[in-house]
Amino acid sequence: SQELEQSPQSLIVQEGKNLTINCTSSKTLYGLYWYKQKYGEGLIFLMMLQKGGEEKSHEKITAKLDEKKQQSSLHITASQPSHAGIYLCGATPRGSNYKLTFGKGTLLTVNP
Amino acid sequence: DAMVIQNPRYQVTQFGKPVTLSCSQTLNHNVMYWYQQKSSQAPKLLFHYYDKDFNNEADTPDNFQSRRPNTSFCFLDIRSPGLGDAAMYLCATSKEQGLSYEQYFGPGTRLTVT
Repeated sequence: SQELEQSPQSLIVQEGKNLTINCTSSKTLYGLYWYKQKYGEGLIFLMMLQKGGEEKSHEKITAKLDEKKQQSSLHITASQPSHAGIYLCGATPRGSNYKLTFGKGTLLTVNP
Repeated sequence: DAMVIQNPRYQVTQFGKPVTLSCSQTLNHNVMYWYQQKSSQAPKLLFHYYDKDFNNEADTPDNFQSRRPNTSFCFLDIRSPGLGDAAMYLCATSKEQGLSYEQYFGPGTRLTVT
């Protein structure tokens, strides 16, 4: 089965600082998803990456998938308290678009 | 607004007493999922429905069952809850469309077993 390793496990930053969260896979990634979860709530879809070298941005959040398709990063520019939460990367294996396996998540705290 | 709704948000049940969690969607998505998320852990897929076809994960305990009477509704039945089944249960939906299978999640039901 596909295993996803996220780093760091937790992160505390000052408002306005940039930060990066990494997601590394033991196998080639065919579909890589980034979600955000507020404590005790459901997951909110952020972005999906499929192609090696692909990069997508939404507002101040940028996600990249490396050329070898085994590592993805999520970068937040000029962080705000509203960015606080748990960021989860998820992946689907080749041949299945339904079985989404998640990493353990990165807890982000943004101090005002 | 189109969305995924889960009821109740909080459920308390007794050890061994059957419990049903409910999920409904207004997105008209053909795929529905149930995930279990224990404290400080990643969500774990229990099963999913592709239309009416039920797909169970190999390591999902027999204690967990699901029903999907129509496109909009999906239920998670826990036949004999144990203390280890206390968790957040997340329902999600997706629509098979091209190469994108973005899943939309509900707010979750937090299950406590006493």
